[in-house]
Amino acid sequence: NAGVTQTPKFRVLKTGQSMTLLCAQDMNHEYMYWYRQDPGMGLRLIHYSVGEGTTAKGEVPDGYNVSRLKKQNFLLGLESAAPSQTSVYFCASSYPRPGEQYFGPGTRLTVT
Amino acid sequence: SQKIEQNSEALNIQEGKTATLTCNYTNYSPAYLQWYRQDPGRGPVFLLLIRENEKEKRKERLKVTFDTTLKQSLFHITASQPADSATYLCALDLGFSGGYNKLIFGAGTRLAVHP
Repeated sequence: NAGVTQTPKFRVLKTGQSMTLLCAQDMNHEYMYWYRQDPGMGLRLIHYSVGEGTTAKGEVPDGYNVSRLKKQNFLLGLESAAPSQTSVYFCASSYPRPGEQYFGPGTRLTVT
Repeated sequence: SQKIEQNSEALNIQEGKTATLTCNYTNYSPAYLQWYRQDPGRGPVFLLLIRENEKEKRKERLKVTFDTTLKQSLFHITASQPADSATYLCALDLGFSGGYNKLIFGAGTRLAVHP
């Protein structure tokens, strides 16, 4: 099993450009999450999904959109990138309970 | 305000000693508490989950305590090895809150185990 995979691993964008980050999991998890991790701060939840076709806002959703058309995939989109979105992005998945989450390797995004 | 705090300074210890990491929180009432390990350039990896009614949980060389009165969790690695060097994240597990499994993460403490 590959677990949780993310593409791409690195990306550099100019301000105003758009991009989509792809997350895939092969553990048949219902729940999927997108987090961002910034230096000196804990992981912060951007959006989450509790099942195919559902999405909801997390703690820091502004500037991001998501879609979950298939159970195994969760996409994170940036429509108009800003320097404040420079961060490392992690996707995670889990069963409803217990609550441990399984993380992907991350995408390092730089917006110039 | 609601806060979760881990020691931001790196913890440096000698191989073979016990490492103890601290997680303190305020104004939360977590049903569970989780610990994760994160290596540089990688995603967090789940280590242990402890419930609010459990005082202590062990897994191999790892031990976690959870004191809901003190609002504190301690994470111990006994007989530490250089391979244990990593950043350790504490996460308050608020259970099925607001329709999903809500985790509140600390910023992590970096552990360096020296030979």
